[in-house]
Amino acid sequence: GAGVSQSPSNKVTEKGKDVELRCDPISGHTALYWYRQSLGQGLEFLIYFQGNSAPDKSGLPSDRFSAERTGGSVSTLTIQRTQQEDSAVYLCASRGGGWAPEAFFGQGTRLTVV
Amino acid sequence: DAKTTQPPSMDCAEGRAANLPCNHSTISGNEYVYWYRQIHSQGPQYIIHGLKNNETNEMASLIITEDRKSSTLILPHATLRDTAVYYCIVRPPQGGSEKLVFGKGTKLTVNP
Repeated sequence: GAGVSQSPSNKVTEKGKDVELRCDPISGHTALYWYRQSLGQGLEFLIYFQGNSAPDKSGLPSDRFSAERTGGSVSTLTIQRTQQEDSAVYLCASRGGGWAPEAFFGQGTRLTVV
Repeated sequence: DAKTTQPPSMDCAEGRAANLPCNHSTISGNEYVYWYRQIHSQGPQYIIHGLKNNETNEMASLIITEDRKSSTLILPHATLRDTAVYYCIVRPPQGGSEKLVFGKGTKLTVNP
């Protein structure tokens, strides 16, 4: 497709389990972002990729959170030993190279930890 | 932390202009003002951006004050589908931090 694709769209997991969230950016987009949004809240920045490297990981809330990007394309956000406070919508965005102005967001993955 | 402040909510009548204000008093000279919106249950959508001059596109107009400490997003003829949370963001120029810091935004409700 032409847009940013995220999978799964919904994920319910038990507390303590690990989860992997996937983001397929728009083809050719070099910048990739992960955000999370708790119910009724604004967007919280997690991590930014330029190509395969992550020059800004400042938003990752704890060492249980990690992300990688391979081939300058697909990115995976992994949450280990999930906690109930991890429940949120996780949004991915991609942006073209250089200083392209517009970031395109996916529809998000709704994570529920029970 | 977000460098912008916005009213938490606003209402507008359908067909009228919606004027959404944003304060960014600590903006640096080379930082841009961006606007995004998020319709319920969807990812945010880019609207418009500007540096100093007023900007207009097919979605909206952006008016930036001369001192650049505030701006206004104008939806000239609001429709029910414009009901969303609108985010005003300050973005550094190329070479600076690439992250987009979203505040809490303004929830705009367009009423019939």
